[in-house]
Amino acid sequence: QSALTQPASVSGSPGQSITISCTATSSDVGTYTYFSWYQQYPGNVPKVVIYDVSNRPSGVSDRFSGSKSGNTATLTISGLQAEDEADYYCSSYSASATSRVFGPGTKVTV
Amino acid sequence: QIQLVQSGAEVKKPGASVKVACKTSGYTFSNYGINWVRQAPGQGLEWMGWISGFNGETQSPQNLQGRLTLTTDKSTTTAYMELRRLTSDDTATYYCALIVPADSFDFWGQGTLVTVSS
Repeated sequence: QSALTQPASVSGSPGQSITISCTATSSDVGTYTYFSWYQQYPGNVPKVVIYDVSNRPSGVSDRFSGSKSGNTATLTISGLQAEDEADYYCSSYSASATSRVFGPGTKVTV
Repeated sequence: QIQLVQSGAEVKKPGASVKVACKTSGYTFSNYGINWVRQAPGQGLEWMGWISGFNGETQSPQNLQGRLTLTTDKSTTTAYMELRRLTSDDTATYYCALIVPADSFDFWGQGTLVTVSS
């Protein structure tokens, strides 16, 4: 089972840009090559903001973007807004998306 | 529209089993699989497993194998998650989720709180 690492917390001021990293540390990095990012408010169901590394679902603000370099995926939130304050989880999954792992989560404070 | 509706909250004693239902609608059940994810209070998301809506094939992490059973009922387009030999560490909100990046699907049930307490 792959392990993912994320920073516990990231903070920024309104209007700034922040990045959240997600690094796969297991030896089976080659199996989990895709990444998605979820936003979760307290008491709410997680919502995907990025999938397949850099794709943004319809309805998600274009202030959210994703990228990947090697075994590290990155979520960038530009033009930070108060409503972006939430927990963010990365998830890495196989090409078939039949198995996946979640990172420990990053609390974003605005 | 695609919907996943889960069964209600459960309270179980240590050592007991729990079975959570996930009723799906709005898509062809046999075309996709269902994921199960749980979240302990104040903790992160944990992927528990996946089951094919086509043939019942399953995938799950090693730490849950032996206690976890995933099943489906095609006639009612419902997926089930059963967890046995419960401990207090299993207290969590359990989610079913239809996650198919290739088709831009990412739909979750409302969650089922399972509390394990003596």
